[in-house]
Order: sequence, then structure tokens, then C-alpha cells
Amino acid sequence: NAGVTQTPKFQVLKTGQSMTLQCAQDMNHEYMSWYRQDPGMGLRLIHYSVGAGITDQGEVPNGYNVSRSTTEDFPLRLLSAAPSQTSVYFCASSLTGPQDTQYFGPGTRLTVL
Amino acid sequence: EDQVTQSPEALRLQEGESSSLNCSYTVSGLRGLFWYRQDPGKGPEFLFTLYSAGEEKEKERLKATLTKKESFLHITAPKPEDSATYLCAFMTTDSWGKFQFGAGTQVVVTP
Repeated sequence: NAGVTQTPKFQVLKTGQSMTLQCAQDMNHEYMSWYRQDPGMGLRLIHYSVGAGITDQGEVPNGYNVSRSTTEDFPLRLLSAAPSQTSVYFCASSLTGPQDTQYFGPGTRLTVL
Repeated sequence: EDQVTQSPEALRLQEGESSSLNCSYTVSGLRGLFWYRQDPGKGPEFLFTLYSAGEEKEKERLKATLTKKESFLHITAPKPEDSATYLCAFMTTDSWGKFQFGAGTQVVVTP
């Protein structure tokens, strides 16, 4: 099992550019989520999904889109990058919901200039 | 507003010097209180889940406890490999699917 994988590990964007952060898991988990981590603020939930075709907003969803077409993949799209989106992004998955053990990916460090 | 506050922000310990981390919460209806460990440059790693006041969980040198207002993570006789940031998080009964983390306590254990 690879667990939770994220690509890319690092990315630099210019303001206004768009991109997709990839997240995949091979544990057949129903629940997947995206967090951003900023210094002194802990991890904040962006979007989550409870299964293929079902997504919902977390605490800080503005500027981000998600979709869940398969159980395995949960990509995060930045529509028009802004410097405020400079952060480390983590994807996580768990069996049925966040009350189950969440397994986190290694993170993507994004810088928006 | 539901929230958690972790203290201290940072803690420096000598190897073998036991201590406790605090996670104070104000939550309308607690579904679960969680502890995670995060090493630099890595994603968080699950440690414990606590569901009700009075509950305790142990793993090696770590012990988590829960009261109606706080959770403590006790580190007994820490070793340098216990150096990490420790995060607490919660779920509430009226917002299933949403998970909220505290800012974390950074622990450094020196030999």
C-alpha cells in the first residue's frame, strides 16, 4: 500500500494562474479531505468528501474547487491563485469519516508570487 | 463558536523530564477529541481518540486524558524521538464531516 500520495511536492505559481493539486489513496477509504497549514494557525479544513460524487465545504473553501469522481482520487483546484494561498496543503483519508483514523499525505508546499 | 486552544505553544524538555500539554476546548457538543503528532516536513500522524470525560488512552510514553473542558497529553520520561508538534482536534455532534485542529504545541526533547 502506498497510502496517501500527493503531487507535486513543491509548486511556485504566479498570481492569477490556476493549477490542480493531486491526491490519491489506495486504501479504499470513503472519506477524503484537504487542509492547509499556515504558521501559528494549525491545519484548516478546505473541502471534504464522504464518497465518490459527494463533496462539501470546510472552514476555508473560498478560492478552491474539488470533485470526487472516483473513490481513489480527490484533486484540489486553485482557480486563480493569490498570494494568500501560499501554504502547505495536506490531503487525508479515512475509512468512513474523520472520526476514524485519518492518514495524511506528505504535503504540497505552494508559493504564489 | 466552537474552538480549541493549545498550550504552551512550545516546550523544551530534558530527556527524562515528564510534562503535560494542554488542549482546552469550547464545543457545543463534543463528538470526539483527537491527538495527532506531526514531524517537521511531514503530515500529521494519529495518536488517540477520546470520546467522553474521564476516558484515558496510553501508548508508550504518551497518555491522553479528557475532562469536560480540557484534554491533556502527558509525556512520561520523554526521549529525543518524542520531539514533534502535537496537535489536538475535535469533531462536534452537529457538524459531521468537519474536523477542527488546534495550533499545536511544539515539543523539543534534548539529550
